[in-house]
Amino acid sequence: GENVEQHPSTLSVQEGDSAVIKCTYSDSASNYFPWYKQELGKRPQLIIDIRSNVGEKKDQRIAVTLNKTAKHFSLHITETQPEDSAVYFCAASDYKLSFGAGTTVTVRA
Amino acid sequence: DAMVIQNPRYQVTQFGKPVTLSCSQTLNHNVMYWYQQKSSQAPKLLFHYYDKDFNNEADTPDNFQSRRPNTSFCFLDIRSPGLGDAAMYLCATSRGPGSNTEAFFGQGTRLTVV
Repeated sequence: GENVEQHPSTLSVQEGDSAVIKCTYSDSASNYFPWYKQELGKRPQLIIDIRSNVGEKKDQRIAVTLNKTAKHFSLHITETQPEDSAVYFCAASDYKLSFGAGTTVTVRA
Repeated sequence: DAMVIQNPRYQVTQFGKPVTLSCSQTLNHNVMYWYQQKSSQAPKLLFHYYDKDFNNEADTPDNFQSRRPNTSFCFLDIRSPGLGDAAMYLCATSRGPGSNTEAFFGQGTRLTVV
């Protein structure tokens, strides 16, 4: 089955700085890579996703890159704000989502 | 409008007393999933239905079962809940294999075992 590794497990950044989270996956059949933000007690919320035929995607302050050859993908958040503080999960899917372990992001004001 | 609906939002059950969680969808998606999420952990896939085909993850305990009587509904049955089964249970749906495999999550059911 798919194995997704996510680093770092915790990340503290100063407001306005950038945050980067990296993930690797094992199954070459995975073709869809979403990122979720989860606040305490709530369901995971999709913030951005990328498909295997695309190398990079950007949505305002959030960008994701995918290196299919190396089987790794990354989330970049620029100009971080306090409301970006949450747990972020990467996932890889061939239609079954396998999640990384999560990164707790804290944005310091 | 809610597209994946889970009931109840909060469920308290006694140790060993069977409990059923429900999920319904208005998206007409082929695939329905059940995830278990314990505190400070990632969601863990328990099983999924691709249409009527049931797929169990290898490490899902026998205590957990699922039913999908039709496209719209899926149930999670816990036969004899233990204290270790206390968690958030998330239902999700997707179209299935293909170019668009975005998963839509319900709000979750938080299960407490007393």
